Amino acid sequence: AQSVTQLGSHVSVSEGALVLLRCNYSSSVPPYLFWYVQYPNQGLQLLLKYTSAATLVKGINGFEAEFKKSETSFHLTKPSAHMSDAAEYFCAVNLDTGRRALTFGSGTRLQVQP
Amino acid sequence: NAGVTQTPKFRVLKTGQSMTLLCAQDMNHEYMYWYRQDPGMGLRLIHYSVGEGTTAKGEVPDGYNVSRLKKQNFLLGLESAAPSQTSVYFCASSYGAVSGNTIYFGEGSWLTVV
Repeated sequence: AQSVTQLGSHVSVSEGALVLLRCNYSSSVPPYLFWYVQYPNQGLQLLLKYTSAATLVKGINGFEAEFKKSETSFHLTKPSAHMSDAAEYFCAVNLDTGRRALTFGSGTRLQVQP
Repeated sequence: NAGVTQTPKFRVLKTGQSMTLLCAQDMNHEYMYWYRQDPGMGLRLIHYSVGEGTTAKGEVPDGYNVSRLKKQNFLLGLESAAPSQTSVYFCASSYGAVSGNTIYFGEGSWLTVV
């Protein structure tokens, strides 16, 4: 079975501060890991994904994530938050080679204070 | 640049009514999915399809039916709507050849059952 845990349902940072959103997964096989962003009243947009190539993955809008097998983590970071980063962020894992579907974490809402 | 298109975007139903959500994708993707999103629970897979004419159950299939008569369309039906089905529904699609392929989402359909 696969599962994803996102620590912290709400994270608040000041504009210009570091953004760190935490994601841990449980898996008995190497996972494919994804981060999606959802802006208010919109669908989900892919930020980045890990597919067993480089462990440090760079995505859109200045975000990056590092796959750490020893810690079963895939935390999302951005050096300097911008007001436009305010959104909900979802970590997801894909292991099931049959259905190719994603299993999502419960989401983290990022608030950016001016 | 349509991608994944869902209709309708908003709908209010009375308990016991039926309705169908339509999803269309123009990317020639084999795999299609229906998810529901509820506060604090992330996205949960309702049903999915690995190709034209196929459907399969996801995590929360009860109360829903689906059909994939054409490759580009994936319909989600509610035969007798219940208040517990009030949610935001997302359709998604992917090429599906490998588990690391990106899954693309529609913009969501807001359903309220009163």
